[in-house]
Amino acid sequence: LAKTTQPISMDSYEGQEVNITCSHNNIATNDYITWYQQFPSQGPRFIIQGYKTKVTNEVASLFIPADRKSSTLSLPRVSLSDTAVYYCLVGRSGGYNKLIFGAGTRLAVHP
Amino acid sequence: NAGVTQTPKFRILKIGQSMTLQCTQDMNHNYMYWYRQDPGMGLKLIYYSVGAGITDKGEVPNGYNVSRSTTEDFPLRLELAAPSQTSVYFCAGGTSGGPGADTQYFGPGTRLTVL
Repeated sequence: LAKTTQPISMDSYEGQEVNITCSHNNIATNDYITWYQQFPSQGPRFIIQGYKTKVTNEVASLFIPADRKSSTLSLPRVSLSDTAVYYCLVGRSGGYNKLIFGAGTRLAVHP
Repeated sequence: NAGVTQTPKFRILKIGQSMTLQCTQDMNHNYMYWYRQDPGMGLKLIYYSVGAGITDKGEVPNGYNVSRSTTEDFPLRLELAAPSQTSVYFCAGGTSGGPGADTQYFGPGTRLTVL
């Protein structure tokens, strides 16, 4: 499984755009990139998934450069309710037992 | 459509006791997973299943057992509870959009304390 590296924490203010970058230098050809959001005392929630270029949904955008060695989750105009931990997962190369959530990025949105 | 449900929400066990954490999904997902999450840490995969009757170990299976007799249910069994098993346990159901394109849907979690 491709190892991922994300910032441990980030701070932002309401109304700003937040970009969280995940590095995955050894991503495999078949690997997709998936982001999850976790609020305190809740299970993670799927946000967005992509393979290359740009993916956008009602919650976020995911930017993936041509070499796919990194990806950026973009949250437009964050609010206090976006305060959460964000996890970047890359593929499941080799089987399901290699699905690993790292420590994630703890985003704090301030008034 | 309730998604993934877990019971109980909270439980306190004494060392050496056993219990079963229940997980049920109504999304007809073939794939199901059990994770544990220690305070301030990411999730670690305990066991997973790719369909009824098929289970396999994840990253941290020691001290746990699972069974998958139906598509809907995936219970997790702790036989001899130890303080190291104090954690929050999440069950998830999943779909696959192709190799490496899995999506998982998580339950609300069970907070277990072993004293």
